[in-house]
Amino acid sequence: DQQVKQNSPSLSVQEGRISILNCDYTNSMFDYFLWYKKYPAEGPTFLISISSIKDKNEDGRFTVFLNKSAKHLSLHIVPSQPGDSAVYFCAATKGGAGNMLTFGGGTRLMVKP
Amino acid sequence: GAVVSQHPSRVICKSGTSVKIECRSLDFQATTMFWYRQFPKQSLMLMATSNEGSKATYEQGVEKDKFLINHASLTLSTLTVTSAHPEDSSFYICSARGSGGTETQYFGPGTRLLVL
Repeated sequence: DQQVKQNSPSLSVQEGRISILNCDYTNSMFDYFLWYKKYPAEGPTFLISISSIKDKNEDGRFTVFLNKSAKHLSLHIVPSQPGDSAVYFCAATKGGAGNMLTFGGGTRLMVKP
Repeated sequence: GAVVSQHPSRVICKSGTSVKIECRSLDFQATTMFWYRQFPKQSLMLMATSNEGSKATYEQGVEKDKFLINHASLTLSTLTVTSAHPEDSSFYICSARGSGGTETQYFGPGTRLLVL
């Protein structure tokens, strides 16, 4: 049973436009959500997170939105840059960022110049 | 951000041999380390949670006798793949968390294991 799902395996966006990556979860006990960026043969790099008490968190070009009733979160990147091309994983946990993470399957983002 | 290293970054071994992977937190004390594995084009799957000075907690389906985890100090955890087989070929990633419980996890760069 996959508790965190990223239904789009890939996404292609033109440079300068908005990239929207989606993530759904099933476990209502999750209370903290994170987005990671990963290049091949490297470990994930933390991007941005959001607690379940919020519905939006913004950091520069990255904004994460959380819809608890729909058990859905999304990552918006605007404007998208070619250097953003990577695989993006959403992850969920209970009790804070330091606890066991459940990852989604990842979405490969390609930003075309 | 905090730095976590893994060694080796890549290893090729023969079937039946054992391989040790080290995970080190370089600038903080990691009371908890997590070990993940990632198959090609798939997600990261948690294998085990390692707490300094105690036995690791393994996820369902992960053989503790095959994947030996030792967390002997606050800066080092090791994962030993015993009697490796080709199906153990994967990308192994560790993450480390400082004290306090809610602190962010920092991931290592990963180790690519290829068993021939």
